[in-house]
Amino acid sequence: GAGVSQTPSNKVTEKGKYVELRCDPISGHTALYWYRQSLGQGPEFLIYFQGTGAADDSGLPNDRFFAVRPEGSVSTLKIQRTERGDSAVYLCASSLGAAQETQYFGPGTRLLVL
Amino acid sequence: DQQVKQNSPSLSVQEGRISILNCDYTNSMFDYFLWYKKYPAEGPTFLISISSIKDKNEDGRFTVFLNKSAKHLSLHIVPSQPGDSAVYFCAARGTPYSGAGSYQLTFGKGTKLSVIP
Repeated sequence: GAGVSQTPSNKVTEKGKYVELRCDPISGHTALYWYRQSLGQGPEFLIYFQGTGAADDSGLPNDRFFAVRPEGSVSTLKIQRTERGDSAVYLCASSLGAAQETQYFGPGTRLLVL
Repeated sequence: DQQVKQNSPSLSVQEGRISILNCDYTNSMFDYFLWYKKYPAEGPTFLISISSIKDKNEDGRFTVFLNKSAKHLSLHIVPSQPGDSAVYFCAARGTPYSGAGSYQLTFGKGTKLSVIP
């Protein structure tokens, strides 16, 4: 049984570049969440999808961040004009439905902006 | 303003003894609480949860206690094992209808548990 998968596992980029991070949720899970974890902190919410639509994007820090989930399964988090402060672990989680309490996390993508 | 607080960054316990990890929250609209365990270079793994209508939930060696009036929960691990050494995160969830945001989880900063053989 596959869990949540994320690619790439590590990404190193230069300041100002564009990056895409991919999340493949557990099959059948309709709710998908993105979180960001900085060193020494707990994960912080970015955005959540119910199906194809972004039901809550209140955690996105600014308009350089954008996420899509066009077919209601795989999601891509897109970061434009990356800054050094974007360096963090980006975590994806999914749950059976939005009201299902347990969210299952992927291993994360470690983003380093030089 | 941190809505979920884990005031102990680290905890060391002897193997076989009880580990108690604490968590406080400020938002009374949170209605569900979860504990996750995290090993280095891995994502958080769900451990145990509790609904706000309960005050205790048990699963094997793990028990979570909730004191709603004090806005406090704790995770008890007994007996502690070396494999339990990890960072433990407390998380809280509301609903769009409870006034605590949507279904996202709000996490504490974590407590690093070391179980000494």
